[in-house]
Amino acid sequence: NAGVTQTPKFRILKIGQSMTLQCAQDMNHNYMYWYRQDPGMGLKLIYYSVGAGITDKGEVPNGYNVSRSTTEDFPLRLELAAPSQTSVYFCASSKRSTEKLFFGSGTQLSVL
Amino acid sequence: ILNVEQSPQSLHVQEGDSTNFTCSFPSSNFYALHWYRWETAKSPEALFVMTLNGDEKKKGRISATLNTKEGYSYLYIKGSQPEDSATYLCALDQTGANNLFFGTGTRLTVIP
Repeated sequence: NAGVTQTPKFRILKIGQSMTLQCAQDMNHNYMYWYRQDPGMGLKLIYYSVGAGITDKGEVPNGYNVSRSTTEDFPLRLELAAPSQTSVYFCASSKRSTEKLFFGSGTQLSVL
Repeated sequence: ILNVEQSPQSLHVQEGDSTNFTCSFPSSNFYALHWYRWETAKSPEALFVMTLNGDEKKKGRISATLNTKEGYSYLYIKGSQPEDSATYLCALDQTGANNLFFGTGTRLTVIP
């Protein structure tokens, strides 16, 4: 199993540009998550999904959108990139509630 | 805003020393408490998921305890080794959806 795969690893965007961060898992996990990590801060939950077709907002959803059309994929969309979205983004998945999260390798995004 | 607090923020210990860190969280609406180990340039990896008051879990030289009534968990490392150097994160699940609120972590450095 590849686990949780995130692409790209690095990206630089200009203010106002759009992009999609890809996340895929091959462990047949129902739950998937997007977190962002800012210096000196804990991981903050952006959006999560408990199954295909179901998504819900986390702590910091503004400026982002997600979809979950399949069990495997959970892309994160930035529509109008802003400097405040400069961060490291982590996708994660878990089989079910109260089970550990498996994290992807992260995407470092800079918005200039 | 949910406060999950970890102390100390950072810690230096000598190889062979035992050490412990604290995670404090609101005792109301508790569902599960997670511990993760995060090495530099890698992704967080799960250590424990704890759900019951009084729970104790152990993995090699690392163990954790949980007190849900007073809202804290301790992580212990016995006989620290340089490879234990990492940031240790705790995270609270209040709903059962695994949408975790992370603390900012305790950064451990083990000096050979």
